[in-house]
Formats: sequence, C-alpha cells, structure tokens
Amino acid sequence: GAVVSQHPSRVICKSGTSVKIECRSLDFQATTMFWYRQFPKKSLMLMATSNEGSKATYEQGVEKDKFLINHASLTLSTLTVTSAHPEDSSFYICSAQQHGEQFFGPGTRLTVL
Amino acid sequence: GQNIDQPTEMTATEGAIVQINCTYQTSGFNGLFWYQQHAGEAPTFLSYNVLDGLEEKGRFSSFLSRSKGYSYLLLKELQMKDSASYLCAVLFNTNAGKSTFGDGTTLTVKP
Repeated sequence: GAVVSQHPSRVICKSGTSVKIECRSLDFQATTMFWYRQFPKKSLMLMATSNEGSKATYEQGVEKDKFLINHASLTLSTLTVTSAHPEDSSFYICSAQQHGEQFFGPGTRLTVL
Repeated sequence: GQNIDQPTEMTATEGAIVQINCTYQTSGFNGLFWYQQHAGEAPTFLSYNVLDGLEEKGRFSSFLSRSKGYSYLLLKELQMKDSASYLCAVLFNTNAGKSTFGDGTTLTVKP
C-alpha cells in the first residue's frame, strides 16, 4: 500500500518557538493531504486540508496564522506551529489521499514546555 | 449534523469474537472506513465499504447497511495484540472528500 512519512516523530520545544512538521507521500503523488490533531483517548480532529499549489482550507476554529500549512509539491506538505504554547502539545497526524482512501503518516508527538 | 456514533469501550476475551458497531447519518453517504489505532501510533487501514453486505479479510470482517446507516466491524479469534482503538470514518459527498471520524471504540482483550 501507499506509504506516508512524517518528520520528526517526536519534538520537544520551548514555549514561543516555532516547530515545522513534514508530511511526505513516498510512493505516490497526493494533491490533497490532511492534517489532524489528536488528544489522548480522543479521535482525530481535522485541522485543515492541504491542497498542492493553493491555500489550505482550515476547519472552523483552527487559527490559520497559528498553524501554517504549505503544500509545495505533490509529495510534501508542511505544518508549522508558530509561537508554540503548552496547550499546543498534542499528537499531530497527516494523511495523504489516493483514490479516495487516506493513508496516514506515523504521527508527530509535540511537547511544548 | 453528520454524527458518527460508536461505543466508547468494549472488553472481550482472547479467542472470542467481538462486534463493534457504528451508526451514521445516511444523507450524502459515499463510503465507510474502519481503522485500527494502537496507543501513540497513527491509524492503519482495515476496510472500506461502499456497498451493502459483508466484506471479509482474514480475522476481520466489515458489514454495511446503507439504508440503516449502520456498519459493524467483526473481529474473530481475538488476540491480545487486537487491543486498540477502532475508528469508524465516513466519507460524505457533501464534505469535499474529507472523512468524518467517530470518537473510536477502545477494545481491551483479556486473557
């Protein structure tokens, strides 16, 4: 099946710094990628839809200036958490869509001190 | 809305069979996914149903009834490693290709 990678898998940063998370589709091209956030024992919360070559579509309540998304190529989308705060600590998961099916990356555990 | 409902928790015994149900709003339905997610890991694909009936894949089977807005995931010959969260996700044609996820069912398999 299709493979999606995420980097880094785990990051710890100080409050106020920015963190960039990369999502790559390794063996297929994805015009659409999704970014999710997951709190402990909760399901995936869609943050935004990343579209190659155009602006991301954010879900209601998600701050565009806080969570910057760039989908510069058909195999790479990046999520930048700007000026991170402890409440941004979470598990961030991306997925890439192919023929209607979503393939998930392994996730990134962000801890903001 | 497009509520996806599934039980929060279930417990079963190793070697047994367990059925995890999922109900959803039928309007705009385009397909239903089941994913398995172990703690601290990303979801992995289990099945995709778009037509009514039962799809069998080894120990796992998934059933869909579009008219009833109902699906279930059936796990046979349970193993300890099946302890995980099982997510039901529905594709609606009104949601621009995005899946709507249920909150997941945490399954605990006991010896």
